Amino acid sequence: AQSVTQLGSHVSVSEGALVLLRCNYSSSVPPYLFWYVQYPNQGLQLLLKYTSAATLVKGINGFEAEFKKSETSFHLTKPSAHMSDAAEYFCAVSWGGSSNTGKLIFGQGTTLQVKP
Amino acid sequence: DSGVTQTPKHLITATGQRVTLRCSPRSGDLSVYWYQQSLDQGLQFLIQYYNGEERAKGNILERFSAQQFPDLHSELNLSSLELGDSALYFCASSGSLREGQYTGELFFGEGSRLTVL
Repeated sequence: AQSVTQLGSHVSVSEGALVLLRCNYSSSVPPYLFWYVQYPNQGLQLLLKYTSAATLVKGINGFEAEFKKSETSFHLTKPSAHMSDAAEYFCAVSWGGSSNTGKLIFGQGTTLQVKP
Repeated sequence: DSGVTQTPKHLITATGQRVTLRCSPRSGDLSVYWYQQSLDQGLQFLIQYYNGEERAKGNILERFSAQQFPDLHSELNLSSLELGDSALYFCASSGSLREGQYTGELFFGEGSRLTVL
């Protein structure tokens, strides 16, 4: 079955430090890849997406992610963490093609804590 | 604001009861997806409707059902509720699934938090 794995359910960084959240997917077909963010008591908001164009994708709030097909990875990074980045982050995958339903399969999520 | 509206935002009910969650998709979106978010299971895909017809089914219990109406709003019906059904239920919508038009992302509502006592 197709799946998404986020390594690390909790990540803690200091304010100003690099943020790295890891995501690996299982797929035999190049997928569509997404990162969503969920702030407390809110819905999911799209941070960025990869849809077979440039492998380095820039998103909102200074986040970016790089698609590496050879590693089946789509890790999320931000050079300098802000306190406002504290939230839960979800990696998600969907598969295009004629049978595409458009549904997203989500990883288990990574809670990012930013320490002052 | 994603443009997806869910009601109610909070719902408290008792075991054995039945509830209905409602979702209005973004204007023009034909697809509606339902997800369940719980601490132990994470975000689980339940079911998808596309232009009124069921398109995909995920880990949805037989006690749960959904439908999409001609005006494209959707309802998720949860019956014979159990304590374990307590969760945040999200609705999401998306645009065309056609090749060349598919953009991939889903737009999520703020969820309906169900508490079963």
